Amino acid sequence: DVKVTQSSRYLVKRTGEKVFLECVQDMDHENMFWYRQDPGLGLRLIYFSYDVKMKEKGDIPEGYSVSREKKERFSLILESASTNQTSMYLCASRPGSQPQHFGDGTRLSIL
Amino acid sequence: GQNIDQPTEMTATEGAIVQINCTYQTSGFNGLFWYQQHAGEAPTFLSYNVLDGLEEKGRFSSFLSRSKGYSYLLLKELQMKDSASYLCAVRSSGGYQKVTFGTGTKLQVIP
Repeated sequence: DVKVTQSSRYLVKRTGEKVFLECVQDMDHENMFWYRQDPGLGLRLIYFSYDVKMKEKGDIPEGYSVSREKKERFSLILESASTNQTSMYLCASRPGSQPQHFGDGTRLSIL
Repeated sequence: GQNIDQPTEMTATEGAIVQINCTYQTSGFNGLFWYQQHAGEAPTFLSYNVLDGLEEKGRFSSFLSRSKGYSYLLLKELQMKDSASYLCAVRSSGGYQKVTFGTGTKLQVIP
């Protein structure tokens, strides 16, 4: 079974902090994704990566950056957290054109 | 770009059949996915359609009409555990095969 692991289920940070969300997958998938999910807006793609050290902007990249130094790990970085970045963050991975597998999500609150 | 529409909420009775519709507009189509998401949990993959027609998988079936930009998810013999959000997602035919999600349909199954 595919396992996508996000480092924290719940996280509380303060405005202006630099925040790191970590995601690890154990199935050697090329493609990894970061989404945020908000009521009424659904899942929105922030960034994705199709290979090590490669990254592409999704639909809402502003205020975020990503890092993929190893194939199994994809990190989302909030450079200077703001209250409008309070959300559920979901990481996903997939091999080639197969369906995505999601992690359990990180519920991030910015105070 | 892509635009995906699905009803926000639906209610159905235990043991009944329910159909959740999804319409989409996309500049290049390369498949449609349905995911199930229980409250507070990650989305899980249900079905995939890339050609017109019906795909059946136990109590769940999914239909696609590419010419109409239309899909539906059919749930038979509803059970209380089917209460969840159902997400329609469309994959583009571009190089990165980006997947865009609808806002989801929250299904409540009542006794």
